[in-house]
Amino acid sequence: GQNIDQPTEMTATEGAIVQINCTYQTSGFNGLFWYQQHAGEAPTFLSYNVLDGLEEKGRFSSFLSRSKGYSYLLLKELQMKDSASYLCAFVTTDSWGKFQFGAGTQVVVTP
Amino acid sequence: SAVISQKPSRDICQRGTSLTIQCQVDSQVTMMFWYRQQPGQSLTLIATANQGSEATYESGFVIDKFPISRPNLTFSTLTVSNMSPEDSSIYLCSVQLEGRRGSPLHFGNGTRLTVT
Repeated sequence: GQNIDQPTEMTATEGAIVQINCTYQTSGFNGLFWYQQHAGEAPTFLSYNVLDGLEEKGRFSSFLSRSKGYSYLLLKELQMKDSASYLCAFVTTDSWGKFQFGAGTQVVVTP
Repeated sequence: SAVISQKPSRDICQRGTSLTIQCQVDSQVTMMFWYRQQPGQSLTLIATANQGSEATYESGFVIDKFPISRPNLTFSTLTVSNMSPEDSSIYLCSVQLEGRRGSPLHFGNGTRLTVT
């Protein structure tokens, strides 16, 4: 079957680094996405990985290992505005648009 | 990106009534989807809204409960019928601008529904 897991909550200090892990199980894996969702707002797209390795976008980086069914999102130089829920989601080869989302990791940034 | 307008943004409804949620996109899109996000849980796909044909529903969701319209490439509605408190949730319209691998979903701001 299909499954996706990520931690419920993480707390880190402003200026620090936080790594949010995501593990998944599926057949026909065809890419993994990361989204940011502030309370009361819509999720916004952060990154996409389909090949193994690290993708860097400014303060945010995302890593994928297909053989391990594992991804992480790395947030560097944390700012208070980074306090949000971070969702990982995968898609499979049978449909581009059917995203399977994790429950989200609530990141709390403290002063 | 696209501007996705969803309304109402929130509503409080009585048990047994129905609510229709509208989703308007500022550009033509092939793929439109309706998701539900219950408190503390992940986004769950309800159905894919197909233009010119019936929506495709995911396991656990049926047309009688969640009828969907897609009259053109920029607009869709989702109706939550015969509501019960278990339907209290955030309902999100989403679109995929390109029908290709790696094309992300873009979401409307959601409709926060409370059923009393």
